[in-house]
Amino acid sequence: AQSVTQLDSQVPVFEEAPVELRCNYSSSVSVYLFWYVQYPNQGLQLLLKYLSGSTLVKGINGFEAEFNKSQTSFHLRKPSVHISDTAEYFCAVSDITDSNYQLIWGAGTKLIIKP
Amino acid sequence: NAGVTQTPKFQVLKTGQSMTLQCAQDMNHEYMSWYRQDPGMGLRLIHYSVGAGITDQGEVPNGYNVSRSTTEDFPLRLLSAAPSQTSVYFCASSRLGDFDEQFFGPGTRLTVL
Repeated sequence: AQSVTQLDSQVPVFEEAPVELRCNYSSSVSVYLFWYVQYPNQGLQLLLKYLSGSTLVKGINGFEAEFNKSQTSFHLRKPSVHISDTAEYFCAVSDITDSNYQLIWGAGTKLIIKP
Repeated sequence: NAGVTQTPKFQVLKTGQSMTLQCAQDMNHEYMSWYRQDPGMGLRLIHYSVGAGITDQGEVPNGYNVSRSTTEDFPLRLLSAAPSQTSVYFCASSRLGDFDEQFFGPGTRLTVL
């Protein structure tokens, strides 16, 4: 069964510094990949997704992620973070053969921006 | 366009009580789902539906029931609340096909004493 590992539960970073949030998934079958963001006391919203095509995916708020099939990874990056990026970030994976469109979620990474 | 709405926002129950968490969407989405979110565990799928009259179990269905009589509504029922069901519950909806974006409600924070 598919599983998703977000390697860091918290990532503290100074404002305007770059950040990388790591995500690895377990199965090498063809997958769709997603990053969602949850701001404090809110629901989740989509940051970006990889379905096919270019392995570098650009999302909202200056975030991007790179799909690496050989390493089964989908790390999220931003070159310069802002205090408003303080949130929890979730990686999710779906098997493309799953007709029920179920997502398997990572445990989340809290991005803590230090002024 | 309200998106996905959930009621109530907060609820405290005693062990053994039952209640229904409401979820509604106005985007005519076929797919709706219920998740619970617990610290350090991400989101876990409770039940989902791919259309009116069709529901199925997710990863953690025990203690919960759902029904989907209309496209818009997808209530989650706790039959006999237990402290282990203390969690934040999110409802989500999306179009079917091509793994479209899931839209989430604001969540219901449930405490079972």
